Amino acid sequence: SYELTQSLSVSVTPGQTATITCGGNNIDGKNVHWYQQRPGQAPVLVMYKDNKRPSGIPERFSGSNSGNTATLTISRAQAADEADYFCQVWDSSHWVFGGGTRLTVL
Amino acid sequence: EVQLVESGGGLVKPGGSLRLSCTASGFTFTRHTINWVRQAPGTGLEWVSSISSSSSYIFYADSVKGRFTVSRDNAKNSVILQMSTVRAEDSGVYYCARVNSAWYDAFDIWGQGTVVTVSS
Repeated sequence: SYELTQSLSVSVTPGQTATITCGGNNIDGKNVHWYQQRPGQAPVLVMYKDNKRPSGIPERFSGSNSGNTATLTISRAQAADEADYFCQVWDSSHWVFGGGTRLTVL
Repeated sequence: EVQLVESGGGLVKPGGSLRLSCTASGFTFTRHTINWVRQAPGTGLEWVSSISSSSSYIFYADSVKGRFTVSRDNAKNSVILQMSTVRAEDSGVYYCARVNSAWYDAFDIWGQGTVVTVSS
């Protein structure tokens, strides 16, 4: 079965750029979606098809997908960005989520 | 307001059954595939099941196949997840989520979740 690998945690100071990666075999051949989940809340879609932002998501959020790695980049990180981030792809009639990356902004 | 509301969670004994509901409002329900996603305490997201708008396409995670059944009633704007032969590892928050086909099937709307606890 297809697997997505994410780093457990990423830490940045406010104003810095946070880079969250999602590794998968030839992931650039798939559409990667990203979700943000704040503590105690439901997930929220922040990026779809690699690099497309839903309405309401700040331009500070961007995405890319190349080779075996998809990346979610958060520029000028803010305290409000502190959350868990999950990548997602469709493979063999199954949805697959990465294990999630906890972003700490301190 | 576009929303999904889950209900039916609770405490169930191992080997027992539970019926979860996802009720939609604020959008044309019949145009959307609906998924169930769960999250065990302190862990990540796990996809559970998917049902297309007309119920023509139904998929399950390997971990629940043969034990869970998903169905929908478009007249009532609802999706049902029938859980049977439950195990401790089925415990967690169960979310339903709407698929946006224009956004490459991303899950654009999520409910707030319902908690399932499997324990004797």
